[in-house]
Amino acid sequence: SQTIHQWPATLVQPVGSPLSLECTVEGTSNPNLYWYRQAAGRGLQLLFYSVGIGQISSEVPQNLSASRPQDRQFILSSKKLLLSDSGFYLCAWTRGRQETQYFGPGTRLLVL
Amino acid sequence: KNEVEQSPQNLTAQEGEFITINCSYSVGISALHWLQQHPGGGIVSLFMLSSGKKKHGRLIATINIQEKHSSLHITASHPRDSAVYICAVRPLTQGGSEKLVFGKGTKLTVNP
Repeated sequence: SQTIHQWPATLVQPVGSPLSLECTVEGTSNPNLYWYRQAAGRGLQLLFYSVGIGQISSEVPQNLSASRPQDRQFILSSKKLLLSDSGFYLCAWTRGRQETQYFGPGTRLLVL
Repeated sequence: KNEVEQSPQNLTAQEGEFITINCSYSVGISALHWLQQHPGGGIVSLFMLSSGKKKHGRLIATINIQEKHSSLHITASHPRDSAVYICAVRPLTQGGSEKLVFGKGTKLTVNP
């Protein structure tokens, strides 16, 4: 069966510090991968998606970047965190385009 | 105005009651998703539908493409159904899109 992992589960970082959140998927190959953010009081927002290694599409201009160094690994990064980067970050995968999304457990990020 | 509107924002019910959560959207779509987010933050995909009706256990989802409206029904509600229910749509775009647009969610509390 397929599983999706995210770490860390919770992170508290100072403003201006770097960020690296990792997402890995097991039990499938060539998944489509997604990063979402859920800010307090707001709906989920798609940040990045990837249909293959090294292929990243950005949905919104922001302080964050994403990379996919391996087939089942998706990384969300920032060089300098802002207060507004605080939120709940979710990784998700699908088998193909426009199919059911399976979400990871999420990472709560608090930038102080 | 958000492209996806859910109502009500909050809903409290007694165990056993029939629950209806509504979702209206303003753009043409290729699919609509209903998601369930538990208090810990984890998200589970309940349904993906593009027409008609789907049923899974005590959950029923319907969609009316012409009216741009979907409903999620829960029969014989139980305290374990307490969660935030999120509606998300995939807008129609030329060539297809990976982007989902999310509602802000409906927080359901079922009391014993």
